[in-house]
Amino acid sequence: DAKTTQPTSMDCAEGRAANLPCNHSTISGNEYVYWYRQIHSQGPQYIIHGLKNNETNEMASLIITEDRKSSTLILPHATLRDTAVYYCIVRAGGGSNYKLTFGKGTLLTVNP
Amino acid sequence: NAGVTQTPKFQVLKTGQSMTLQCAQDMNHEYMSWYRQDPGMGLRLIHYSVGAGITDQGEVPNGYNVSRSTTEDFPLRLLSAAPSQTSVYFCATLDRTNYGYTFGSGTRLTVV
Repeated sequence: DAKTTQPTSMDCAEGRAANLPCNHSTISGNEYVYWYRQIHSQGPQYIIHGLKNNETNEMASLIITEDRKSSTLILPHATLRDTAVYYCIVRAGGGSNYKLTFGKGTLLTVNP
Repeated sequence: NAGVTQTPKFQVLKTGQSMTLQCAQDMNHEYMSWYRQDPGMGLRLIHYSVGAGITDQGEVPNGYNVSRSTTEDFPLRLLSAAPSQTSVYFCATLDRTNYGYTFGSGTRLTVV
């Protein structure tokens, strides 16, 4: 699976959009971009994933650049409960590769 | 629908003791896995299973055993606990419709 690079930490004001970047310049054509988050002391929570098109669900939006070398997770109206470590993970979809490799992620702190 | 249930939530062991961390799921997911998370580090894969009767080693399997006799259960056994196994352990299942993982709430293990 391709390696990802994320900032160590970010701050965001409550009610504003939080934009979390991720670089994955070595991504292959069959690899998806996944985002998870881990709120303190809890298990990681799936947020969203995409291949090349932008995706949106009830939690967030995922914007993937046209060359797929980077992506941005957008939380449109951040709340204090969104304070968490956010992990960007690239992995091949399908087949027998089920492993998920977590890096250090980005600690997002939402401030009142 | 409970998702992924881990028991116990907390455990203190003495060096050399054995124990089993339980993981049960009610989503009929074939893939299950165990991760450990140490302070300041990402999650590391211990063992995984792609279905009943099939298990395989992950990144850090030493000191741990697993078995998968049913789809629902995937217990993790520590045969002789060591202080280096002090960690938070997470069980996760994979939904193959979107390749999203569901994590349990974790077991905090301290070996003294």
